[in-house]
Amino acid sequence: DQQVKQNSPSLSVQEGRISILNCDYTNSMFDYFLWYKKYPAEGPTFLISISSIKDKNEDGRFTVFLNKSAKHLSLHIVPSQPGDSAVYFCAAGYQGNLIFGKGTKLSVKP
Amino acid sequence: EAGVAQSPRYKIIEKRQSVAFWCNPISGHATLYWYQQILGQGPKLLIQFQNNGVVDDSQLPKDRFSAERLKGVDSTLKIQPAKLEDSAVYLCASRLSTDTQYFGPGTRLTVL
Repeated sequence: DQQVKQNSPSLSVQEGRISILNCDYTNSMFDYFLWYKKYPAEGPTFLISISSIKDKNEDGRFTVFLNKSAKHLSLHIVPSQPGDSAVYFCAAGYQGNLIFGKGTKLSVKP
Repeated sequence: EAGVAQSPRYKIIEKRQSVAFWCNPISGHATLYWYQQILGQGPKLLIQFQNNGVVDDSQLPKDRFSAERLKGVDSTLKIQPAKLEDSAVYLCASRLSTDTQYFGPGTRLTVL
């Protein structure tokens, strides 16, 4: 039973446009959420996080939105750049442990 | 600040052989994790250490997998004997006091 779901295996976006990656979770005990970016043959790299007491966190081109009532979070990348092409993992955490989604492969086309 | 180091980066073995992976976390990080990532999946926790003690090993297949962090710094993960389904990337991560875990580059294991 997947506690963290990323229902879109892939997403293709034009350079300069917005990329929106979605994530749903089932366990209301999760109290923080993170997004990681992964290039081939590398480990996941931390991108941005949000605590369950917030509904938005912004860092440059990256914004994460959290809707606790819907158990849904999303990552917005504006504007998208070709270097953003990677696999993005959503992770939900509780007491120091993380549960990961399966990832969404983002392709940003020039 | 140096990141999480892992070795080897790649390993190919035959089934029933044994293999060991090494991880050196970010300096000062008390919490260390080992994850298994199968192709097309997200990382799955195998074991969590706090200093040299095990916090959570509920998902570690203890009949064949073992891990240790004797001095509370670097750690080794061993598989003995390996099965075909153990083919995966083994990721090590460490954490200080915030919720963010920082990952190493991983070891890609292929079991033939």
